[in-house]
Amino acid sequence: NAGVTQTPKFQVLKTGQSMTLQCAQDMNHNSMYWYRQDPGMGLRLIYYSASEGTTDKGEVPNGYNVSRLNKREFSLRLESAAPSQTSVYFCASSLTSGGFIGSTGELFFGEGSRLTVL
Amino acid sequence: DQQVKQNSPSLSVQEGRISILNCDYTNSMFDYFLWYKKYPAEGPTFLISISSIKDKNEDGRFTVFLNKSAKHLSLHIVPSQPGDSAVYFCAASGGSGGGADGLTFGKGTHLIIQP
Repeated sequence: NAGVTQTPKFQVLKTGQSMTLQCAQDMNHNSMYWYRQDPGMGLRLIYYSASEGTTDKGEVPNGYNVSRLNKREFSLRLESAAPSQTSVYFCASSLTSGGFIGSTGELFFGEGSRLTVL
Repeated sequence: DQQVKQNSPSLSVQEGRISILNCDYTNSMFDYFLWYKKYPAEGPTFLISISSIKDKNEDGRFTVFLNKSAKHLSLHIVPSQPGDSAVYFCAASGGSGGGADGLTFGKGTHLIIQP
């Protein structure tokens, strides 16, 4: 019963370094998402992938890139990390795939990846 | 512009009493509303939801009420228990993305249950 698995759980970077956050789900979900959570800001959508082979920008995409490697995996890359990207990152998945009927859009979240950029 | 608003950053309630968490939204295209619960160092977990065609949904101690005309929903927890202490996020789906573009979240309310 793994659900949504994120790696790494913790990471410290220096400004300008790059890194990739990995996410995998084993629920055969179509849609996957990356959110960031900052104090007092709630959860904000960075990028999402409605289905395998597609990706779209969310509310705060600047400074990030994503890859939907296959149906199970969705990675988030920081090419040149900045202190403003210090945050907790959550990957999520959903059965939903655009134009659905009868689905709630409920998301299942991973445990989060805490990233600090110095 | 914030489409889902939780105006109370924190709420303190005595054990055994009712906890009422409020949420307002601005986008009339939202058609499904959800509440998530989050403990420290864990991911958010789904708690309860309601479709826009209903005005109430109940699941055990948790009830969500929706007032579409006021664009307002609330989560009632009765009776409140110490394990309910967590951050609660209100979220909405629908809008132009039809749901595939994820959920729009409020900023959260930190519920503290006092013994």
